[in-house]
Amino acid sequence: EPEVTQTPSHQVTQMGQEVILRCVPISNHLYFYWYRQILGQKVEFLVSFYNNEISEKSEIFDDQFSVERPDGSNFTLKIRSTKLEDSAMYFCASSGASGGETQYFGPGTRLLVL
Amino acid sequence: SQQGEEDPQALSIQEGENATMNCSYKTSINNLQWYRQNSGRGLVHLILIRSNEREKHSGRLRVTLDTSKKSSSLLITASRAADTASYFCATVWFSGGYNKLIFGAGTRLAVHP
Repeated sequence: EPEVTQTPSHQVTQMGQEVILRCVPISNHLYFYWYRQILGQKVEFLVSFYNNEISEKSEIFDDQFSVERPDGSNFTLKIRSTKLEDSAMYFCASSGASGGETQYFGPGTRLLVL
Repeated sequence: SQQGEEDPQALSIQEGENATMNCSYKTSINNLQWYRQNSGRGLVHLILIRSNEREKHSGRLRVTLDTSKKSSSLLITASRAADTASYFCATVWFSGGYNKLIFGAGTRLAVHP
């Protein structure tokens, strides 16, 4: 069964460093998302992406964040200058259609900023 | 905000018992989805119920939706130790061709053998 994959599974970085989180969505999906979950808290929407552009972003997704689909398979989230409060589990998701169809989540990348 | 809020926050039951988790939300929705998360792991989609549906079944799962009360419930029948996980509801409001999931805080379910 197709699944969303994410790399790395864990990443530790120093405050101020750039990180790139990578995702490979399900191959025939068209809509891509990033969410994050701070330890012990809710899963929060960050950004949705369709047709090579951001379709919606949350207040969390400020100028330090960017997303890219550099080729036909990868979907990346970049944090330019990490802060301590960026420490969280980051989930990538994809769906085959909009209109609220099922989003399939990857296993997540646990980011720790020191 | 159209956040879903689950209750109870935590539920502890014995294997074989039924587990019921509730979710309330604030605004209009197109559908509501339930997800499961094992500790520190990814989110697994369980079931999607559309705003024009009242009940849906999938195996041992039964989901109801009451749009007049803006609430949903997830029932797991004949629970197993392997059902131990956190369960989240997430609402979707279809807007302009795109959608995002708004998650609740989740219910932590512990099923004891």
